[in-house]
Amino acid sequence: DILMTQSPLSLPVTPGEPASISCRSSQRLLDGNGNIYLNWYFQKPGKSPQALIYLGSNRASGVPDRFSGSGSGTDFTLKISRVEVEDVGIYYCMQAQQVPITFGQGTRLEIK
Amino acid sequence: EVQLVESGGGLVKPGGSLRVSCEVSGLNFNDAWVTWVRQAPGKGLEWVGLIRSNTDGGTTDYAAPVEGRFTISKDDSENTVYLQMNSLEAEDTAIYYCRPVVVISLTHYDYWGPGTLVTVSS
Repeated sequence: DILMTQSPLSLPVTPGEPASISCRSSQRLLDGNGNIYLNWYFQKPGKSPQALIYLGSNRASGVPDRFSGSGSGTDFTLKISRVEVEDVGIYYCMQAQQVPITFGQGTRLEIK
Repeated sequence: EVQLVESGGGLVKPGGSLRVSCEVSGLNFNDAWVTWVRQAPGKGLEWVGLIRSNTDGGTTDYAAPVEGRFTISKDDSENTVYLQMNSLEAEDTAIYYCRPVVVISLTHYDYWGPGTLVTVSS
């Protein structure tokens, strides 16, 4: 199984400041077509998760452009250029390179 | 507009069975891969299993903890995916989310249902 490790697990951020979450996979995430099957999700308290980023760096429909995904191989990053209060919640990375699909432990973003 | 309606959750005794459903509207069901993901109280997300689109064979895969106990199926005429859960254990207590994904012109559309709570307790 591919192990996904996120850091930090808790991230206090001042509104307007940037934030960055790291996700490391235990195996390279890259298929023969050059696709990186790494997604990011956001879950507000008490709500269903929602898609943020797919294939490593593509924003899902409706996601603000302050969110960006990058990375390759085994190291990936989700960046928020300017955190807003509505960004409070838990962020998960997920690999869909192979089954079983696996998630990171989640990073809790909170406002300072 | 895509709508997902999940139903069938509830309280069941250990060893019992339950079937949860996910009715999908507003997208091409034939092209959707549907994944079930669960979240135990206060915990993170855990993949349960998936059913591939008809185009990709309609086959299924399961996570090790549920393999042999859970079965995913679908009714194309009803645009509904089912998760049949047998031999339930306390550790299966969680909110169960269905997650259909379709790819249109290389863009991924990844939807999550509202979730349905399954509680396994005597």
